[in-house]
Amino acid sequence: EAQVTQNPRYLITVTGKKLTVTCSQNMNHEYMSWYRQDPGLGLRQIYYSMNVEVTDKGDVPEGYKVSRKEKRNFPLILESPSPNQTSLYFCASSLSQGQRNNEQFFGPGTRLTVL
Amino acid sequence: SQKIEQNSEALNIQEGKTATLTCNYTNYSPAYLQWYRQDPGRGPVFLLLIRENEKEKRKERLKVTFDTTLKQSLFHITASQPADSATYLCALDRRSNTGKLIFGQGTTLQVKP
Repeated sequence: EAQVTQNPRYLITVTGKKLTVTCSQNMNHEYMSWYRQDPGLGLRQIYYSMNVEVTDKGDVPEGYKVSRKEKRNFPLILESPSPNQTSLYFCASSLSQGQRNNEQFFGPGTRLTVL
Repeated sequence: SQKIEQNSEALNIQEGKTATLTCNYTNYSPAYLQWYRQDPGRGPVFLLLIRENEKEKRKERLKVTFDTTLKQSLFHITASQPADSATYLCALDRRSNTGKLIFGQGTTLQVKP
């Protein structure tokens, strides 16, 4: 089944404790992206990657890191989480950087709480 | 500044009626616009894409219009069903080579039996 998977689905942590949220897609998509969704603010892009070893900042990158060592994986790293990073996070992928009208496939989401 | 607006108030309609959701944007000239459905606690799911040179697009009970003069897209669900209850998001292309989308906040639709 074609899908985007994220782990963990739920995480409660404390301020300053490094964490990684994994994202993997099995559709051979070139483009991958991370979003956070907050009430009243909608989906905001954190980082995106147009292909392996190519990453770039989205609209709200502060406090986050990403890497794209393999085509299928795009982990989101919070080196020192803070309470304002409490949010619902979504990973998404789409087919090709060259086709700007591709639909995005979203993962099931990771609900993160930072105490 | 660039802005996308969807009605933040929930839309409540009776089963069988047509639901119409609005997406307005300012200071953009998107090449295309997408609509997604999102159920509580789940990721958005793609529904329809419409390009700037298309006035209307249909898929089963769904219809999307795109008026680049008014800077508005309308999303219609005909013969609505309780199963259509969800939040609907519009997303605009930023006319870059990055494939980046910017999303509206979404409108929640409640279809009552």
